[in-house]
Amino acid sequence: DAGVIQSPRHEVTEMGQEVTLRCKPISGHDYLFWYRQTMMRGLELLIYFNNNVPIDDSGMPEDRFSAKMPNASFSTLKIQPSEPRDSAVYFCASSSGTVSYEQYFGPGTRLTVT
Amino acid sequence: SQQGEEDPQALSIQEGENATMNCSYKTSINNLQWYRQNSGRGLVHLILIRSNEREKHSGRLRVTLDTSKKSSSLLITASRAADTASYFCATDAGGKLIFGQGTELSVKP
Repeated sequence: DAGVIQSPRHEVTEMGQEVTLRCKPISGHDYLFWYRQTMMRGLELLIYFNNNVPIDDSGMPEDRFSAKMPNASFSTLKIQPSEPRDSAVYFCASSSGTVSYEQYFGPGTRLTVT
Repeated sequence: SQQGEEDPQALSIQEGENATMNCSYKTSINNLQWYRQNSGRGLVHLILIRSNEREKHSGRLRVTLDTSKKSSSLLITASRAADTASYFCATDAGGKLIFGQGTELSVKP
């Protein structure tokens, strides 16, 4: 298996622009997670899905952030409009079983908003 | 505040030495996991220990869990330069994993 795939790996955009991050989970995994990692706040869970349904989005910082999972093999995290404080590394992870199981992380998308 | 907090924040040792990292948490947990993150990469799962377990081994890794003290430790024996990375504990509480801030381990050859 190729593991969790994320694209793009790096994204540089200007403030106010829309940013879309993409994730392909490991086939057969029914949980998908989006995390954000910064030096100041560490690794934060933004939202997670179970069987394509959003279960907990309490970590989504603002209405500017939205996430979708239209099918079992694809998810997007969108920021519109982007702001400099959104600059971070965004990780997607997937797991099978329950939330308690080990999670498999993608390589991350490094987002820089200028 | 963070559910899991690692100690120390940074650790520098020589190759061949053992490395011990600690994690403290606040609430009751179902399990505790340790992950490794190499610079610029995603996290990699190392080991999971359930709340009813006290110790677990995996290769050069040894994890202990003391639920009465709400703490865990990760021991890496006979460290190698390739073990240089950040190590995070993650606790399962309230239906999701909460990660600590991590311990940055540097193993010098």
